[in-house]
Amino acid sequence: DAEITQSPRHKITETGRQVTLACHQTWNHNNMFWYRQDLGHGLRLIHYSYGVQDTNKGEVSDGYSVSRSNTEDLPLTLESAASSQTSVYFCASSELAGGTDTQYFGPGTRLTVL
Amino acid sequence: DQQVKQNSPSLSVQEGRISILNCDYTNSMFDYFLWYKKYPAEGPTFLISISSIKDKNEDGRFTVFLNKSAKHLSLHIVPSQPGDSAVYFCAASAPGADYKLSFGAGTTVTVRA
Repeated sequence: DAEITQSPRHKITETGRQVTLACHQTWNHNNMFWYRQDLGHGLRLIHYSYGVQDTNKGEVSDGYSVSRSNTEDLPLTLESAASSQTSVYFCASSELAGGTDTQYFGPGTRLTVL
Repeated sequence: DQQVKQNSPSLSVQEGRISILNCDYTNSMFDYFLWYKKYPAEGPTFLISISSIKDKNEDGRFTVFLNKSAKHLSLHIVPSQPGDSAVYFCAASAPGADYKLSFGAGTTVTVRA
């Protein structure tokens, strides 16, 4: 069965370190998204991609970067981790270019920055 | 500024009764609305959606109502079951904005036996 996976599921790091969160989907979807979930804010979009070599900034992109070298993967990099980036991160993918298409979410990565 | 608001952070309902979750939005360009359900330690899963050309959409025990003039939508769950205990997120998208989803803060539903 097609799926979307994230690794690691839990990560503890120190302020200033570079961290990369992996996202891999086997749906063969063109569109991939990264969100963070924080209490009181719901899910906020960090970056998104509508295809290989395409990346776009979301509403909370500062301090994060992504790259899309193939269809299956969209890794999220925190260049220099900050305590404000402690959060739960979700990756999602969808088939069609647009919010009318169902987004399938991964299980999430809980990141703690000390 | 949050464009999608779920003003009730939690809801407790007895098994078998109706659960009503509310969602308000401020962006009049939103034309597609979705509800996602999330269990602890899992990612959100799609539940039901509605286009702005409709005012109601049903799927089994779940019905979403849209009132465009009031910029308000609601999710009804009838009857509520223990497995419905989860966090429910309202989301919306607009054309011309890459159809990105804007999410509300979520409502935690607890169904009591």
